[in-house]
Amino acid sequence: GENVEQHPSTLSVQEGDSAVIKCTYSDSASNYFPWYKQELGKGPQLIIDIRSNVGEKKDQRIAVTLNKTAKHFSLHITETQPEDSAVYFCAASKGLNTGTASKLTFGTGTRLQVTL
Amino acid sequence: KAGVTQTPRYLIKTRGQQVTLSCSPISGHRSVSWYQQTPGQGLQFLFEYFSETQRNKGNFPGRFSGRQFSNSRSEMNVSTLELGDSALYLCASSLIGRGEKNTGELFFGEGSRLTVL
Repeated sequence: GENVEQHPSTLSVQEGDSAVIKCTYSDSASNYFPWYKQELGKGPQLIIDIRSNVGEKKDQRIAVTLNKTAKHFSLHITETQPEDSAVYFCAASKGLNTGTASKLTFGTGTRLQVTL
Repeated sequence: KAGVTQTPRYLIKTRGQQVTLSCSPISGHRSVSWYQQTPGQGLQFLFEYFSETQRNKGNFPGRFSGRQFSNSRSEMNVSTLELGDSALYLCASSLIGRGEKNTGELFFGEGSRLTVL
């Protein structure tokens, strides 16, 4: 089955700096790569996603890149703010075109701490 | 628009007992998925229901089961509880489409935290 590795497990940055989280996946059939943010006591929330036919996607301070050949995808957060502090999860799915994208394989998570 | 509602939020059970968790999806969402979250194993897919039918299943033993009702509300059941079943159980709902119409976004509830003693 699919395996998703995520690094680093913890990341501490100063406010205003950039943060990068990297993931690799094993199943070349995967076609959907979302990133979720989980704050304490809450369920994960989608912050950005990318499909396999796109190499890069940006939404304000957040961007995701995908390298299908290397099976890598990364989350980039620029101008970090204290409210960005949370646990971030990458995930992969191969069911997007069949309507079964709900079966996600998650990475192990990155705890991001943004310090003042 | 109300979000995904899970009940109960917290519960404590003893080994050997069984538990039922409930999930009300966002109005209009017909797909409901369940995930188990633990510090050791992370987020793991349990199963997905769509139109009262189980569409996908993860690698969990048969003690874990679920169902979906005609109003899309879902329940999951764990029988013969073990200490290792202690976890946060997350329910997520989503719109389902095909191709570009399938956004893929899962809307998670806040979870039901189960402690098995």
